[in-house]
Amino acid sequence: EVQLVESGGGLVQPGGSLRLSCAASGFTFSSYWMHWVRQAPGKGLVWVSRINSDGSSTSYADSVKGRFTISRDNAKNTLYLQMNSLRAEDTAVYYCARGSPYSGYDYYAFDIWGQGTMVTVSS
Amino acid sequence: EIVLTQSPGTLSLSPGERATLSCRASQSVSSNYLAWYQQKPGQAPRLLIYGASSRATDIPDRFSGSGSGTDFTLTISRLEPEDFAVYYCQQYGSFTFGPGTKVDIK
Repeated sequence: EVQLVESGGGLVQPGGSLRLSCAASGFTFSSYWMHWVRQAPGKGLVWVSRINSDGSSTSYADSVKGRFTISRDNAKNTLYLQMNSLRAEDTAVYYCARGSPYSGYDYYAFDIWGQGTMVTVSS
Repeated sequence: EIVLTQSPGTLSLSPGERATLSCRASQSVSSNYLAWYQQKPGQAPRLLIYGASSRATDIPDRFSGSGSGTDFTLTISRLEPEDFAVYYCQQYGSFTFGPGTKVDIK
């Protein structure tokens, strides 16, 4: 079964850090671009970051640039999101999602999503 | 940056009725890189349509997508009880999402 499972969410104080993980199974993880998408309580979906299949190319939404770092370990079939300098407005459910299967082309819909992990930034 | 607008914000319909959801882009969407997702409460989004009109795997044929350029439509031909949810459009040239349309039971 093709599956993505996020973990690592929790309660953190403003200014703190957290690392999210997304474990992939049932497909060749190393062949796919991967994304993080977040959803604040009661709000819509917001794209956060993406990484290409070998980890050599990344991009970020302006709201997280310089604070968040996306990475991956293809040997462990795992995607990461390191979140630093967290703010109250980062409070959200964070989803990982599968993107393009093409190494040089990332224009692809998100066909597989994890169940999400909740991050709460509060004192 | 392309901004997506969805209308209406909420659509109140009865099972069996036809639902028509609109997604409008602030500028032309390249190569119809337009997707639709369904999200039910407490669940992750599910891909319904990609490339503006292609159904994703295992999506029933009562869901259809159309449009090009700046105007796109998701149509649900006959609403089933499980179709009441929030629907988001996304342009995956830069991955931005629309604000969503909630389809609820009238």
